[in-house]
Amino acid sequence: QVQLVQSGAEVKKTGSSVKVSCKASGGSFSSHTITWVRQAPGQGLEWVGRIIPFLDIVDYAQKFEGRVTITADKSTTTAYMELSGLRPDDTAVYYCAKEDYGGKSEDGTWTYYYYYMDVWGKGTTVTVSS
Amino acid sequence: EIVLTQSPATLSLAPGERATLSCRASQSVNSRHIAWYQQKPGQAPRLLIYAASSRATGIPDRFSGSGSGTDFTLTISRLEPEDFAVYYCQQYGSSPVTFGQGTRLDIK
Repeated sequence: QVQLVQSGAEVKKTGSSVKVSCKASGGSFSSHTITWVRQAPGQGLEWVGRIIPFLDIVDYAQKFEGRVTITADKSTTTAYMELSGLRPDDTAVYYCAKEDYGGKSEDGTWTYYYYYMDVWGKGTTVTVSS
Repeated sequence: EIVLTQSPATLSLAPGERATLSCRASQSVNSRHIAWYQQKPGQAPRLLIYAASSRATGIPDRFSGSGSGTDFTLTISRLEPEDFAVYYCQQYGSSPVTFGQGTRLDIK
């Protein structure tokens, strides 16, 4: 059973960047995605983006395009989410989670589809202050 | 983007009662692409139901999901003290993945 262990809490200044890690253990890093979801204080869940480590394919929520970079190191089975241009409203708990995925080829173009988030990390609190 | 609207925002019930939580989508969603999560204070969400009606590993059978098209329901047949939490629905069939705003289930 895959387990996801996230890095510790971060306190950052407005305009800076933060990089959160998520180490997967107990399963194959190649057969699933690592996806990132955030939750502002007292608010709901918001999808940030994902990576398929085996294929190095990333997919970002439009809201975060240009500010977020998700990467993965297959040798250490660790995924990273870097968010730049931090603002106070980026203050949130950032979760990584695992999704299974599949793909299909149509006319030589691959399309990927994703499943539910069945394993979650405990979350990393990122606090942004001015 | 598919918007999911959950109702009610808060539901106050007593242990032993039946809870019915609703999730309505802004456009039709394949029922294979609906999940429900439970979140307790200070914890990560936990997968309860996927494909609208399949229970995740280790989830008690008092939890059940149903629905199709734009209307989906999570039912908890007899509430246990540990069931009082926030519940989120999610659609994962269209990009971006979206979540409902949550239903808080409180002890009456």
